Amino acid sequence: NAGVTQTPKFRVLKTGQSMTLLCAQDMNHEYMYWYRQDPGMGLRLIHYSVGEGTTAKGEVPDGYNVSRLKKQNFLLGLESAAPSQTSVYFCASSFGRDRGIDTQYFGPGTRLTVL
Amino acid sequence: GQQVMQIPQYQHVQEGEDFTTYCNSSTTLSNIQWYKQRPGGHPVFLIQLVKSGEVKKQKRLTFQFGEAKKNSSLHITATQTTDVGTYFCAARNYGGATNKLIFGTGTLLAVQP
Repeated sequence: NAGVTQTPKFRVLKTGQSMTLLCAQDMNHEYMYWYRQDPGMGLRLIHYSVGEGTTAKGEVPDGYNVSRLKKQNFLLGLESAAPSQTSVYFCASSFGRDRGIDTQYFGPGTRLTVL
Repeated sequence: GQQVMQIPQYQHVQEGEDFTTYCNSSTTLSNIQWYKQRPGGHPVFLIQLVKSGEVKKQKRLTFQFGEAKKNSSLHITATQTTDVGTYFCAARNYGGATNKLIFGTGTLLAVQP
């Protein structure tokens, strides 16, 4: 099993450009998440999905859109990139258990720089 | 919104010394998870605590959940260079949905051989 994979690993954009980050998981997880990680800020939830065809806003959704057309994939889009979106982006997935342990499994991350 | 404060932000220790990081919330938590992120890596799940006053051990790591379920700590005994990384707590509010984990700001541990 590959677990959670992210594409691309690195990307440099100019202000105003658009791009899509792809996350894929092969663990049949219901829940998927997009986080951004900035120095001193921890991990902040951008958007998440509790199942195929569903998406919801997290803590910092502005400037991002997401889609979950297939259960195994979760796409994060930046329509018009801004320097404030320079960050490391992590995708994660989990079974979505309400009881017991619901471990989040993280991908390797995408390092995005917006000039 | 809900915040989870974690202290210290950074700790530098000599190999063999102990290390502790603390996680505090202003609201009662349903449960708390701990993750470790190695430099350049991604967060990896360590443990989940659910019960008031719960204590769990993993070799040299001891995790505690406060009696009021508003704070937690991670203690490492006799640190080793393999312990280097950032330790995050991730909290779920009492009655909160599964998808709502709030991550602390993390504690970066540096271990000098």
